[in-house]
Amino acid sequence: DAGVTQSPTHLIKTRGQHVTLRCSPISGHKSVSWYQQVLGQGPQFIFQYYEKEERGRGNFPDRFSARQFPNYSSELNVNALLLGDSALYLCASSLYSGGAHEQYFGPGTRLTVT
Amino acid sequence: GENVEQHPSTLSVQEGDSAVIKCTYSDSASNYFPWYKQELGKRPQLIIDIRSNVGEKKDQRIAVTLNKTAKHFSLHITETQPEDSAVYFCAASISSGGYQKVTFGTGTKLQVIP
Repeated sequence: DAGVTQSPTHLIKTRGQHVTLRCSPISGHKSVSWYQQVLGQGPQFIFQYYEKEERGRGNFPDRFSARQFPNYSSELNVNALLLGDSALYLCASSLYSGGAHEQYFGPGTRLTVT
Repeated sequence: GENVEQHPSTLSVQEGDSAVIKCTYSDSASNYFPWYKQELGKRPQLIIDIRSNVGEKKDQRIAVTLNKTAKHFSLHITETQPEDSAVYFCAASISSGGYQKVTFGTGTKLQVIP
């Protein structure tokens, strides 16, 4: 049974560019959340999607956007990259959106902005 | 919004000793408290969780306690082993508007000395 998968594993981009990160949740899980983890800190909540709808958003600028597809996979897009966007981007899947549900993380995408 | 504080930031124990990590949260609406273990370069891994209607939960060498009145919760690891060495994150989750927002602590780097 596959866990949460993310692609690519690593990515190097230049300031001002755009990036798309991808996530496939655990089979049967309908909710995907995105987190940003800066080195030495805990993950910070960016978005939660459920049934293709955005259900929640953290304190991130509009340069960050996401979407969820009918198969429950998800993309995170970041426009006009800044040096401060360098981080590990984690995707987590859970069965549902609201309530208290276990979230399981993917391996992450390491983004470096130069 | 929710704020989660975690102490200590680093912890060194001898193999076989116990380790305790403490967290406090600010929003009394938080109802789910997961703990994650993150080894270097790997994904956060859910190791134990507790819901707000429970005061204590144990799973083999790991236990978590929750004091809702004081708004603090703790992770206890007994009979520590070298493979317990990792960064541990506590988190507090609020269900709001149909989504689950998880706020993480800043992490505790645990080193178990053989």
